[in-house]
Amino acid sequence: EDQVTQSPEALRLQEGESSSLNCSYTVSGLRGLFWYRQDPGKGPEFLFTLYSAGEEKEKERLKATLTKKESFLHITAPKPEDSATYLCAVPRGTNDYKLSFGAGTTVTVRA
Amino acid sequence: GAGVSQSPRYKVAKRGQDVALRCDPISGHVSLFWYQQALGQGPEFLTYFQNEAQLDKSGLPSDRFFAERPEGSVSTLKIQRTQQEDSAVYLCASRGDSYEQYFGPGTRLTVT
Repeated sequence: EDQVTQSPEALRLQEGESSSLNCSYTVSGLRGLFWYRQDPGKGPEFLFTLYSAGEEKEKERLKATLTKKESFLHITAPKPEDSATYLCAVPRGTNDYKLSFGAGTTVTVRA
Repeated sequence: GAGVSQSPRYKVAKRGQDVALRCDPISGHVSLFWYQQALGQGPEFLTYFQNEAQLDKSGLPSDRFFAERPEGSVSTLKIQRTQQEDSAVYLCASRGDSYEQYFGPGTRLTVT
């Protein structure tokens, strides 16, 4: 069965303290891996799509990387405004639309 | 351009009541999705439309859940005879030519 597991569940960082979030997946024939950011009371906001092992994408202080079994979201020198829950998702089964989400990593950045 | 909008943002229903949740996708987006998100969890897929056709409803939890998109734009998720376990955030997403799904703010449903 396709599964997406994120770790850690929660991450508390000091402003400027870089760290990484992990998303491991078990799915046959990966058709892309998505990262989203979700703020309390809001819907997920799209960040990145990764398609193949070795691919990297960056946006401001965030960089996402992909291997054959997992993806990492690196947060470099985070600021308090980076505090959010970060979700990863992969398409489930043989289709490209039914996303399976992990439970997310809640990041809190203290000033 | 405008993103995905949903209404109402909050809904409180007494157990047994019917509710209707609305989604306005991004203009021109052919694909529309509904997800259910429990507290502390990631969204769970409910159903998928391509234009007005409901191509996948495998995630709907019971026959009390019904979704429609009659003109291929606005969609409504209806829940009949609500139960406490239906309390959750209901998210709508739409997708255009690219692969990514763009989400609305969600409707928080509380069944008392």
